[in-house]
Amino acid sequence: DSGVTQTPKHLITATGQRVTLRCSPRSGDLSVYWYQQSLDQGLQFLIQYYNGEERAKGNILERFSAQQFPDLHSELNLSSLELGDSALYFCASSVEGRQYNEQFFGPGTRLTVL
Amino acid sequence: TQLLEQSPQFLSIQEGENLTVYCNSSSVFSSLQWYRQEPGEGPVLLVTVVTGGEVKKLKRLTFQFGDARKDSSLHITAAQPGDTGLYLCAGAGNQFYFGTGTSLTVIP
Repeated sequence: DSGVTQTPKHLITATGQRVTLRCSPRSGDLSVYWYQQSLDQGLQFLIQYYNGEERAKGNILERFSAQQFPDLHSELNLSSLELGDSALYFCASSVEGRQYNEQFFGPGTRLTVL
Repeated sequence: TQLLEQSPQFLSIQEGENLTVYCNSSSVFSSLQWYRQEPGEGPVLLVTVVTGGEVKKLKRLTFQFGDARKDSSLHITAAQPGDTGLYLCAGAGNQFYFGTGTSLTVIP
């Protein structure tokens, strides 16, 4: 158990819908990262927040957005869902925002878009 | 196009054999990490290397960072079934880049 929690574990929805994925970092960690993992694209970095502020942005689509709240939990919002958005979405946290800090990954949310 | 290419993509070996996984890039990274991921779980960090030429050992696993900080290797000695998993390298630049992954199966 990494100490990072993600909900829900599984999510099945239809194309065009909007979903919210939630992540609670390890106690004391200020930085949260979101990743998408699919069979054809591997593990792709989406976005990073540090203490409520956006720190780095990766391959995140405009239909996706994220935020980190004052209690440091984070949410990833996916809208206008397409079949290709089906993937595992991981959240990770680290103590500080430096890139080479150890990242602790949550168990992931498996999103299926039908 | 992946910034970090790993080879081989798939590897199936017998218990007790040695193996090496490579992680290559044309980009320079300030640090490089190796993770192992098991089915249905998130990646777990194995090691971080920061200095060019650095070698780190973790029991039967040996990690090396290339002198130019563009590549890395992971060598496993006397592989065991518990080593089975997806091995991912990850480089830190202006963001975090994960490699294409190497799926290792160790057959008892």
